[in-house]
Amino acid sequence: QITLKESGPTLVKPTQTLTLTCTFSGFSLSSNGEGVGWIRQPPGKALEWLALIFWDDDKRYSPSLKSRLTITKDTSKNQVVLTMTNMDPVDTATYYCTHSAWITPPKASDIWGQGTMVTVSS
Amino acid sequence: DIVMTQSPDSLAVSLGERATVNCKSSQSVLYRSNNKNYLAWYQQKPGQSPKLLIYWASTRESGVSDRFSGSGSGTDFTLTISSLQAEDVAVYYCQQYYGTPWTFGQGTKVEIK
Repeated sequence: QITLKESGPTLVKPTQTLTLTCTFSGFSLSSNGEGVGWIRQPPGKALEWLALIFWDDDKRYSPSLKSRLTITKDTSKNQVVLTMTNMDPVDTATYYCTHSAWITPPKASDIWGQGTMVTVSS
Repeated sequence: DIVMTQSPDSLAVSLGERATVNCKSSQSVLYRSNNKNYLAWYQQKPGQSPKLLIYWASTRESGVSDRFSGSGSGTDFTLTISSLQAEDVAVYYCQQYYGTPWTFGQGTKVEIK
């Protein structure tokens, strides 16, 4: 059974850097085809895809946020970390991590964490 | 980026009636090599994380009710709820995963009339 859980600060100040950790179980990010992604959702708004990291360390980013995002993995700890620099109030959202494996059949984001709400305010 | 556009933004359907949500992509999401459309549908109930319903445009995820079906190819897709139940009240999103960034539609809110 695959599970994922996000952790990190609930409140950050404008211009600060946000660091979120996704801790997962039920799969290994060193196995062929496996991947973990990040998606966010501002209150009352739609889902926005942010980033994705694969087992072979291939990293993909949203072009509009690429300059601010870094995604890394720690296979030994079963964790994926997302950092977002220069936070702004418009980045206030629930941040989800997801299992996003590129194996047959590829299912995009088939398992989601519970999400963590991040508020950006001074 | 591939832009995903859903219609309508919201709809109200009577219990037991059919609900239809449309999704259009700005370019084809059909992989010619395997003839598969890289299009997924998600359901998000209030206060919950999204749940995968359909992948490859028409393949139902394990455990998902057969009331839900997906169809379409290329750039035009449809999610159909054959007989709306109270527990189906939610926002539904389409997403393409043909190429990164994996973009979402704006969501369609389904309610009971």
